[in-house]
Order: sequence, then C-alpha cells, then structure tokens
Amino acid sequence: GIQVEQSPPDLILQEGANSTLRCNFSDSVNNLQWFHQNPWGQLINLFYIPSGTKQNGRLSATTVATERYSLLYISSSQTTDSGVYFCAAGYNFNKFYFGSGTKLNVKP
Amino acid sequence: SAVISQKPSRDICQRGTSLTIQCQVDSQVTMMFWYRQQPGQSLTLIATANQGSEATYESGFVIDKFPISRPNLTFSTLTVSNMSPEDSSIYLCSVLLQGGGYTFGSGTRLTVV
Repeated sequence: GIQVEQSPPDLILQEGANSTLRCNFSDSVNNLQWFHQNPWGQLINLFYIPSGTKQNGRLSATTVATERYSLLYISSSQTTDSGVYFCAAGYNFNKFYFGSGTKLNVKP
Repeated sequence: SAVISQKPSRDICQRGTSLTIQCQVDSQVTMMFWYRQQPGQSLTLIATANQGSEATYESGFVIDKFPISRPNLTFSTLTVSNMSPEDSSIYLCSVLLQGGGYTFGSGTRLTVV
C-alpha cells in the first residue's frame, strides 16, 4: 500500500500564528484528502486535493503530485483549530491510507 | 453533502458480548466504509460495505469478527463480535461523496471491560 508520512507529529502554536503541515506519500495517487479531527473525535473533511491548490477561509492546501507531497497551511490560528490533522492518500476511491497525523494545540 | 447519523455514540460492553453499530445516510451513496481508530492512533480501514453483497475486508479483519450488512444505498451496520478489551476503539462510518471527497459519521466510542 501507500506509505503516508506526516510532519511534524506535534505542534504548539500561540493564537494568531501561522503554520504549515506536511504530508509525504510514497506513490502516485489519484486521491488525497486532508481531515481535521476535533477534540471530541469528529472527523471533518477539509480538502479533497489530488493536485493543485485550494483555499477555504484561513486554510489552504497545495498538492504537488509529481513530487509526492501535500501541504496544509493554517493562517491566523485560533483555539478552535486544535485537534489532529490527518492526510489520507489513495490510488482511487476504493481505499485510502491515513498518515499518523499532526496533533495541533493552539494556545490563547 | 451527505449527513451521516451513527449510533450509538458510545457504549461500554462486557467482554464476550457483541455490539452492532448503525450508520444511516440522508442520501443514496455508492460507497460506504467502516474504519477503526485505536486510542491515540490513526484510522485503519476495516472493510468496504457493498450493497447487496458481502463486504470487502482489509487484511487483518475477518467477517466472523466484524460482520457487516448493507441492505440498501443509505444504511449499513457493523457488528463487533465476541469483544475483548483490545477492541476498545472508535469505530467510524464513512461515505464517498459526489466530487471525490469523503465524509465521516461522528463515530462510536467503544470501551470493552
């Protein structure tokens, strides 16, 4: 299967700071997603982004498929951004592989 | 996008018993999946729930332990059978959306004592 590596594993930010989360994957993929799992366990789909760049408010993501990585940018972080951010990659829509996640703690 | 209702949200069960988790979607979807998230870990795919046929299980998961039903395009169940403390996890239902994204149910937090 596809190996998905995320960095950093843990991140502590002061409210208002910006951050970049990275996801490396071991093979060419047609399916790449970013998710946020809040402290209550709910998993939210942030971006479906197999290639290119997308933005949604303070969040944006870029995937460079040819170089097998994706980046998630969080600007002007808020305490509600805390939780775990997962990257998941797959060859198709039948199955995708989750990375181990980046645990983000935004302090007021 | 689809809205998923997953029940129960949490349960505490005795070892040796079974628990059935339900996943109801508010629209017809082609693909439904069941995941397990062990404490402090990432998500692992258990199986793909196929409408009208047997589920497709991933390596390490078997039908006798995790029987799955999918009688129609909006509903699926996952049963965790003959539970042991090692089965304590969050179990999540997921569906494929039109456009390629996925959405997840709110999860079932299972504790086996």
